[in-house]
Amino acid sequence: AQSVSQHNHHVILSEAASLELGCNYSYGGTVNLFWYVQYPGQHLQLLLKYFSGDPLVKGIKGFEAEFIKSKFSFNLRKPSVQWSDTAEYFCAVNGQEGFQKLVFGTGTRLLVSP
Amino acid sequence: NAGVTQTPKFQVLKTGQSMTLQCAQDMNHEYMSWYRQDPGMGLRLIHYSVGAGITDQGEVPNGYNVSRSTTEDFPLRLLSAAPSQTSVYFCASSYFPGLAGGSSYNEQFFGPGTRLTVL
Repeated sequence: AQSVSQHNHHVILSEAASLELGCNYSYGGTVNLFWYVQYPGQHLQLLLKYFSGDPLVKGIKGFEAEFIKSKFSFNLRKPSVQWSDTAEYFCAVNGQEGFQKLVFGTGTRLLVSP
Repeated sequence: NAGVTQTPKFQVLKTGQSMTLQCAQDMNHEYMSWYRQDPGMGLRLIHYSVGAGITDQGEVPNGYNVSRSTTEDFPLRLLSAAPSQTSVYFCASSYFPGLAGGSSYNEQFFGPGTRLTVL
């Protein structure tokens, strides 16, 4: 079955630090890739997505992610984090089991200290 | 639009009790799904539906039932609650893609969640 790995479970950064969260997936065929964010007490929101084309995708709030097919990776980046970026971040993939069935990673909790 | 709504927000059950988690959407989405979120395990798909009258199992369906009698509603039933079902439950909906792959995927919109504790 398709799987998604997020290697960083907890990340603590100071404001203005750069962020990179890792995401690797297992399926070698055509996939769609997503990053979702869950702010404290809120529901999941789509941060960005990759379907095809330019492997560097830009999302909301200054986030971007790069799809590297040879590495089965879709890492999330932000050059300078803010306190308001404190949240849990989930990588998700679909493709192997149908294109509407998302498989989520275990999530990364990001704490940004002011 | 209210989007995806879920009730209740919080629920405490005793082992063996049954209950129904409600999910509704007002976006005329064909596809609806239920996930459970557990610490360190991300979100796992319980059941999903591609339209009224059509449901299927996800990754962790045991102990849960669903039905889809209308486009708007997709309730999740716990038949006999167990402590292992203590979790946060999210409902999601989207338009259903007509073709596989690429831009045919449609963004899933998530509800605010129901936090369930089974004692």
